[in-house]
Amino acid sequence: DVKVTQSSRYLVKRTGEKVFLECVQDMDHENMFWYRQDPGLGLRLIYFSYDVKMKEKGDIPEGYSVSREKKERFSLILESASTNQTSMYLCASSLGSGVQETQYFGPGTRLLVL
Amino acid sequence: EDKVVQSPLSLVVHEGDTVTLNCSYEVTNFRSLLWYKQEKKAPTFLFMLTSSGIEKKSGRLSSILDKKELSSILNITATQTGDSAIYLCAVSSGAGSYQLTFGKGTKLSVIP
Repeated sequence: DVKVTQSSRYLVKRTGEKVFLECVQDMDHENMFWYRQDPGLGLRLIYFSYDVKMKEKGDIPEGYSVSREKKERFSLILESASTNQTSMYLCASSLGSGVQETQYFGPGTRLLVL
Repeated sequence: EDKVVQSPLSLVVHEGDTVTLNCSYEVTNFRSLLWYKQEKKAPTFLFMLTSSGIEKKSGRLSSILDKKELSSILNITATQTGDSAIYLCAVSSGAGSYQLTFGKGTKLSVIP
């Protein structure tokens, strides 16, 4: 079974704080993704990575950065948290392309920025 | 820009009813369509449909891909309260792309 874990289920931060969200997968997947999910807007891709130290911007990268120093770990960084970054953050991973592109999700981190 | 549209946005049914959820897409170089079920937390994978596998079934759930109409349906028969969830449709497209484009989801509520 694929297992994707996220460092926190719930997080409360103040405006301006630097926030780290961590994601770890245990299935040697090549690709990892960060999404945010908001009511009425669905899942939106922030960043993804297809290899160690490689990253690509998704649809809404502004205000975020990522780091992938090891294959199993993908971190999302909010450099200076703002209230409009209050959201559910979901990490996912996939093995490759073709039939292996099914993405498996972590349990999510619900972030509240005050 | 790739686009995935799901309908209806929400649905309330009684236990035992049969429901059909819809997903239509406009993408370049379609590769696959995936269905996910999301309860309180992470989306869990249900089915993947491709040009070579246009129909899938698992228990009371089944899904069909209509390549001509650029759409897919997810059927749930004899619904149970445990089927209450948001159902997400996602499409992969483009050569060498790892990304999925998600629809906004259909929220299904099954009442006893």
